[in-house]
Amino acid sequence: DADVTQTPRNRITKTGKRIMLECSQTKGHDRMYWYRQDPGLGLRLIYYSFDVKDINKGEISDGYSVSRQAQAKFSLSLESAIPNQTALYFCATSVDRGHSYNEQFFGPGTRLTVL
Amino acid sequence: DAKTTQPPSMDCAEGRAANLPCNHSTISGNEYVYWYRQIHSQGPQYIIHGLKNNETNEMASLIITEDRKSSTLILPHATLRDTAVYYCIESTYKYIFGTGTRLKVLA
Repeated sequence: DADVTQTPRNRITKTGKRIMLECSQTKGHDRMYWYRQDPGLGLRLIYYSFDVKDINKGEISDGYSVSRQAQAKFSLSLESAIPNQTALYFCATSVDRGHSYNEQFFGPGTRLTVL
Repeated sequence: DAKTTQPPSMDCAEGRAANLPCNHSTISGNEYVYWYRQIHSQGPQYIIHGLKNNETNEMASLIITEDRKSSTLILPHATLRDTAVYYCIESTYKYIFGTGTRLKVLA
């Protein structure tokens, strides 16, 4: 069974629609992250959360919002989708070791297309 | 901008060692070096990390220079399944991905 799951795996939507991408984990990790990846590029951090009451912006948070409903669930919303948000979206988790090492475990990704 | 620099692509013969270099000249004292790989468009897979010392696990070895400004990931016996994009990251907890090295293992 997958430790980090993302739903949906693929989504096609239209400009202006509200979209929610969901991430769930069974690893018991406190930290969760959302990234996007554009073709030929590395991943870029959108938002991250160190616990249920902690939400932080990443490199490219404009146009996105998140919700940490529980330790195991972290959702990413696009309030009004636009075509340049077409990308591959990844969720990741990690153990909280303070300022020590912090390997992240990634989900399978959601491919989002905004027409 | 990514804090690490890697060659955009490399080829390696199957069964031979693949040595992937990374420069991280701005690394600070408490930042670790992490290596991940991404096969096709799957989620990145953790390979190994290190702080100062060389490290080895079942997947790879990591050699970090004494000044910590560069490192090399070694896949000792590359297989076709090791064909992927390999990312080197210097970080505490926030990752900044570069464009990585596209490794192609040739039969």
